[in-house]
Amino acid sequence: AQSVSQHNHHVILSEAASLELGCNYSYGGTVNLFWYVQYPGQHFQLLLKYFSGDPLVKGIKGFEAEFIKSKFSFNLRKPSVQWSDTAEYFCAVNGGNFNKFYFGSGTKLNVKP
Amino acid sequence: SQTIHQWPATLVQPVGSPLSLECTVEGTSNPNLYWYRQAAGRGLQLLFYSVGIGQISSEVPQNLSASRPQDRQFILSSKKLLLSDSGFYLCARDSRGTEAFFGQGTRLTVV
Repeated sequence: AQSVSQHNHHVILSEAASLELGCNYSYGGTVNLFWYVQYPGQHFQLLLKYFSGDPLVKGIKGFEAEFIKSKFSFNLRKPSVQWSDTAEYFCAVNGGNFNKFYFGSGTKLNVKP
Repeated sequence: SQTIHQWPATLVQPVGSPLSLECTVEGTSNPNLYWYRQAAGRGLQLLFYSVGIGQISSEVPQNLSASRPQDRQFILSSKKLLLSDSGFYLCARDSRGTEAFFGQGTRLTVV
């Protein structure tokens, strides 16, 4: 069965700390990869996406993610977090042998001022 | 426009009552449509997926059903709600796999 795993369920950081959120998927073939963010009380917002090409993808608000095909991973990073980054982050996959968006369980990030 | 209209925003229903949540989308024709349930610690669970009118695939066995009577209309239903059906339901569409867009969601509380 298809699955997307986010191993960190809750992360607490201080401002200016570096962030890395893990995401692994279990599909073969070509996949498209995404990170979405949900700020408290708001809609889902696309942070970045990877379809092909450079495996290091830069998104909005200083976020980036690296696709490592051999590890089936697409980890999200930010060098220096801000209090305003407090939100829940979701990794998503589509493509391969299917054409549906599957999401991970999400990671809640709390950034302490 | 990628607007997705979803209503109602909140709903409180008694156990055993029926359910109908409606989602309509604007934009390109023949969108792929989704119903997700968001629960704490479980992320977005894909419930139903539709590639066209009358074409529904169910991802998980449950007390819910979905229908797509028109190209841009996707309905989530139940004949008899259970307490476990409580949750936050999101309708979504995608642009042929390039991005997913979400509605505002419906907070359903079954009492």
